[in-house]
Formats: sequence, C-alpha cells, structure tokens
Amino acid sequence: DIRMTQSPASLSASLGETVNIECLASEDIYSDLAWYQQKPGKSPQLLIYNANSLQNGVPSRFSGSGSGTQYSLKINSLQSEDVATYFCQQYNNYPLTFGSGTKLEIK
Amino acid sequence: EVQLVESGGGLVQPGASLKLSCVASGFTFSDYWMSWVRQTPGKTMEWIGDIKYDGSYTNYAPSLKNRFTISRDNAKSTLYLQMSNVRSEDTATYYCTRARVMDAWGQGASVTVSS
Repeated sequence: DIRMTQSPASLSASLGETVNIECLASEDIYSDLAWYQQKPGKSPQLLIYNANSLQNGVPSRFSGSGSGTQYSLKINSLQSEDVATYFCQQYNNYPLTFGSGTKLEIK
Repeated sequence: EVQLVESGGGLVQPGASLKLSCVASGFTFSDYWMSWVRQTPGKTMEWIGDIKYDGSYTNYAPSLKNRFTISRDNAKSTLYLQMSNVRSEDTATYYCTRARVMDAWGQGASVTVSS
C-alpha cells in the first residue's frame, strides 16, 4: 500500500495569512493526488485533483503543487470559512489511500 | 445537481450483517465508477473499495475484502455495501463517493457496532 504522510496534523493561522499543508507519498504517485476539504459536521468536498487542477467552483485562493512523492496545498488569504480538516488522497494505485488530515483553525 | 444519499446505517451487534444503500441522482449513474469510503470516530479516512460502471469489476481494501461486498443496480441508480461479520472497529460513518477522484460525496451513514 502507498502510505500518505500528511503534515502538520493541526495548524492555527490568522485571517489573511497564507498556509501550506504537505503530503508525502511512500512512492511516486505521478501527480495522481487529490485534496479534500471537510468542514465541521459536513461531508468532504473535492478541492484539487491531478495535484494542481482546481475543481469547478473552488476559490482561486486554493492551489496545489508537487510531483513524484511530495505535494502541497496552499491557501492564500485565509478566510474564516476555510476552517476545516484537509485530506490528501492518492489514486495512482490500489488500494486508494488518504493522509491523516490537517485541522485548520483561525488564530 | 449531483446527489448521493446513503441509508441503512444504525446500531448493529458484533458478528451481524448490514447492508448500506446509496441512491444517486443528477448524473448518469451507469457512466461512473463508484466507491465506498469510511471515516472512523477519530476522523481517519479509509477507502473500502470501488466498482466499475457496469458492475463487472470490483476492487477492495485488502483488510476488508473478505467481509465487505460492493454491488450496484444501474436501473435503480443505487450502490450497495454489504457488510458481514461486523466488528467494533467497523464503527464509522460510511460515505458513497463518485469515481476515484471523489468529486461527489453523500451525507454519510453512521454505523455503530456494539452489543
């Protein structure tokens, strides 16, 4: 199985700040990586796919980058509605696997 | 609007069986692979498995393939998850999702395994 190591586990930032969340795959996943946002009490929603493609309707302050085994999610100009847990997921190989999540709070 | 609505969750005793359903609407169900994913009370996400658009092929997480079975009825736009010999560690919220890049999620079905 491909292990997805996500960091940090939690993050506290101020409104307007830029935050970065990292995901490290245990082997090359060839950019087959998605990022999801899960707001408290809600189902997850797709933000980014193919490592850097923005899903329709997702604000442009969200962006993804990376290749090989290292990937990151960047949130520019943090808004209050960005309070959520963020997960990465690889779909390069079965079984599909998720990172452990990053809980983002506003300082 | 794409919608996925799970049902069938609840309290179940260890060793019992349970079948979850997911009714899809707002898209052509028979065009898509579908997946089941679960989230534990500690918020860990675990992929359970998926099924090809025509139901002819399935993939499973190795740790679950002997107890869980995924099926679908395209005429009813419905995805199923049959769970057998459930254990306390199967306690989770179960989501149906569309495709391997999960661009749609249901609201989740809560399953609690306890005597």
